[in-house]
Amino acid sequence: NAGVTQTPKFQVLKTGQSMTLQCAQDMNHEYMSWYRQDPGMGLRLIHYSVGAGITDQGEVPNGYNVSRSTTEDFPLRLLSAAPSQTSVYFCASSYSTGYQETQYFGPGTRLLVL
Amino acid sequence: EDQVTQSPEALRLQEGESSSLNCSYTVSGLRGLFWYRQDPGKGPEFLFTLYSAGEEKEKERLKATLTKKESFLHITAPKPEDSATYLCAVPLQVREKLVFGKGTKLTVNP
Repeated sequence: NAGVTQTPKFQVLKTGQSMTLQCAQDMNHEYMSWYRQDPGMGLRLIHYSVGAGITDQGEVPNGYNVSRSTTEDFPLRLLSAAPSQTSVYFCASSYSTGYQETQYFGPGTRLLVL
Repeated sequence: EDQVTQSPEALRLQEGESSSLNCSYTVSGLRGLFWYRQDPGKGPEFLFTLYSAGEEKEKERLKATLTKKESFLHITAPKPEDSATYLCAVPLQVREKLVFGKGTKLTVNP
């Protein structure tokens, strides 16, 4: 299993540009999430999905869109990039056995918005 | 306001010097508490999930415990390879909405 994969690893954007951060998992997990990590702020939830076709907002959803057409993929779209969106973005997937829940994170995408 | 607080922010230990990291939370109706390890430039790595007060889980030199208001990550006889940032998180409202603490950066000197 490759686990959770993210592309690209690093991206530079100009203010106003749009882009899609890709996330894929090959573990057949129902739950997937997107976080951003900023110095001094910790990880903050952007959007999450409990299954194909079902998404919901997290703590900081503004400026981001998501969709989940398949179990494997959960892309994050930046509609019009702003310098405040400079951050490291992590995708995660998780499963629950009913008692034990385990979450796996991808390696991250570093985004710089100029 | 629901929140998660980790202390200390940074901890420097000598190899073999045991210590504990703290994660306190104020969410109502705890639905689990998660511990992660994060190395520089990498994504968090899952360590433990705790669900009820009194529960303990161990992995190598790490042991996580849970009370009604806080969790401890005990590190016994740490080695330099245990150096990392340790994060804790709890779910808000629904299990998928995790809120994270800011982490404790642990450095273990040889």
